[in-house]
Amino acid sequence: SQTIHQWPATLVQPVGSPLSLECTVEGTSNPNLYWYRQAAGRGLQLLFYSVGIGQISSEVPQNLSASRPQDRQFILSSKKLLLSDSGFYLCAWSVSGDYEQYFGPGTRLTVT
Amino acid sequence: AQSVAQPEDQVNVAEGNPLTVKCTYSVSGNPYLFWYVQYPNRGLQFLLKYITGDNLVKGSYGFEAEFNKSQTSFHLKKPSALVSDSALYFCAVRDGSGGSYIPTFGRGTSLIVHP
Repeated sequence: SQTIHQWPATLVQPVGSPLSLECTVEGTSNPNLYWYRQAAGRGLQLLFYSVGIGQISSEVPQNLSASRPQDRQFILSSKKLLLSDSGFYLCAWSVSGDYEQYFGPGTRLTVT
Repeated sequence: AQSVAQPEDQVNVAEGNPLTVKCTYSVSGNPYLFWYVQYPNRGLQFLLKYITGDNLVKGSYGFEAEFNKSQTSFHLKKPSALVSDSALYFCAVRDGSGGSYIPTFGRGTSLIVHP
């Protein structure tokens, strides 16, 4: 069966520090991968998605970036965090040509 | 363009009573519709989907949803609510007519089931 991992689960970082969040998927090949941010107001904001290694599409201009160095690995990064980057970050995957998404457990990021 | 609306921020229901969480959508092609549930500090879990076929879709944990094309709705239902059903529920839509495979999510409805 397929599983998705995210780490760390919780992170507190000062403004201006770098960020690296990692997501890995097991049990499937060539998944579509997604990064979402969920603010306190509950809505989901799509940040990045990827259909293959090295292929990244950005939905919202911001100080975040994403990379997909391996088929089942998706990384969210920032060189300098802002207060507004605080939130709950969710990674998700879906099977190419299939429909529903499967979400990881999330990372709670607090920028102080 | 595609969009989804969840008109209720919060739904309150007594345990044992039926529950409905509302969702309406707008899409130019064929709608692919989804429901997800999120428990506190957890990721979203897929509940059910409508792609084609029977308008009544059954999913996990006793939930079902009815696709109504004329009313462009996909309401989530359960005959008898449990306290453990208390969570945040998201409806999502995607254009299945060859458009983007990226779904659009609603803002979520908080379901509170009272003992």
